[in-house]
Amino acid sequence: QSALTQPRSVSGSPGQSVTISCTGTSGDIGGYEYVSWYRQYPGRAPKVIIYEVTKRPSGVPDRFSASKSGNTASLTISGLQIEDEADYYCCSYAGSYSWVFGGGTTVTVL
Amino acid sequence: QVRLQESGSGLVKPSQTLAVTCAVSGASITSPGYSWGWIRQPPGKGLEWISYSYLGDTTYFNPSVESRVTVSVDRSKNQFSLTLTSVTAADTAVYYCVREAESTDRAFDVWGQGTMVAVSS
Repeated sequence: QSALTQPRSVSGSPGQSVTISCTGTSGDIGGYEYVSWYRQYPGRAPKVIIYEVTKRPSGVPDRFSASKSGNTASLTISGLQIEDEADYYCCSYAGSYSWVFGGGTTVTVL
Repeated sequence: QVRLQESGSGLVKPSQTLAVTCAVSGASITSPGYSWGWIRQPPGKGLEWISYSYLGDTTYFNPSVESRVTVSVDRSKNQFSLTLTSVTAADTAVYYCVREAESTDRAFDVWGQGTMVAVSS
């Protein structure tokens, strides 16, 4: 199991959109419709913001959207806000009740 | 409301055994439709999935730790525990217990606050 590949950091100004990519393989992202995304503030536990590739849990703003194409998943934050500054992790089911995470992306609001 | 509360060894010497426990409230760990697991995060690094347990008996592990890890369940206390043997500095991490529910299939919808375990002599 190799970690999924995410950019170390992305940044944007308030109101702009940023997109985080997450690249895996046919054995994880490409093979299953089970990509999830987590937001983590410093010193806090992660929180799920996307599950099953595109679905948002109750309470997550629709500024957060996600998609998948082949072995790459993406998370887009539209209308960037100060409170979006955090670390974001992608995660994919990898079969046989196993999961693999990305290395994490730090979003900075300029 | 489901709540997960970890407790752990704190400081463990190299080659010894690490133990962390997750107390679950608001849901039964043996209820169908819920699964439970462990995820860890070394300081300043990313997340690593460790284990997944269903109905309190069947457990799956990350191959990277499979030979050293055990998960046990205490149904009477509604809690589950992770033990990791022969630890090294690489096992230093915040250990989170998590829930996976059918409603958010294959995603971890509830997390504990995490417990830090340091491996050091």
